[in-house]
Amino acid sequence: ILNVEQSPQSLHVQEGDSTNFTCSFPSSNFYALHWYRWETAKSPEALFVMTLNGDEKKKGRISATLNTKEGYSYLYIKGSQPEDSATYLCASSSGGYQKVTFGTGTKLQVIP
Amino acid sequence: EAQVTQNPRYLITVTGKKLTVTCSQNMNHEYMSWYRQDPGLGLRQIYYSMNVEVTDKGDVPEGYKVSRKEKRNFPLILESPSPNQTSLYFCASSLRGLTGELFFGEGSRLTVL
Repeated sequence: ILNVEQSPQSLHVQEGDSTNFTCSFPSSNFYALHWYRWETAKSPEALFVMTLNGDEKKKGRISATLNTKEGYSYLYIKGSQPEDSATYLCASSSGGYQKVTFGTGTKLQVIP
Repeated sequence: EAQVTQNPRYLITVTGKKLTVTCSQNMNHEYMSWYRQDPGLGLRQIYYSMNVEVTDKGDVPEGYKVSRKEKRNFPLILESPSPNQTSLYFCASSLRGLTGELFFGEGSRLTVL
């Protein structure tokens, strides 16, 4: 079983602050890295899927980077808004298989 | 509307009584998978399927079975449920395996007494 770790576990920021989270994963036989946004009482929704070292993706105020050689990905939120409050999950797969391992998430609360 | 549909959404059952949680997607996705979510643990993959009649174990397959007889359906079968299978279950699908994003169902909360 892959070990996917996310930090911090939880985070409180003021509205308007920018913030970032980390996802670390085993770098050997890397295949894909996913980020999801999960609001309470809803289902996880995809933010990004990245497969290449150096990938950078952006969706509005949210962006992500990927370093497959050292086994980490960063998720950035610029100018946090209360509606950004959610748990952010990362997931990694390796070895060319279609198994995936999720981290336990970073819970973000944006204070108005 | 593109969606992944799970049923039932909530179920309370007793130890040993076989049950099936259905999952259906209308997006013609190749890949389907099941996960369980438990407090303090991340989503853990139970089984996945790359296509019809092709299934494989995830990280926590014990006590579960799946089948993929049609592309759109991927039911999760608990032959003899036990209390440690009390959990929140999610089905998800993807167009092209794990190089594509997963679309999740709304979840099924199962309690085994």
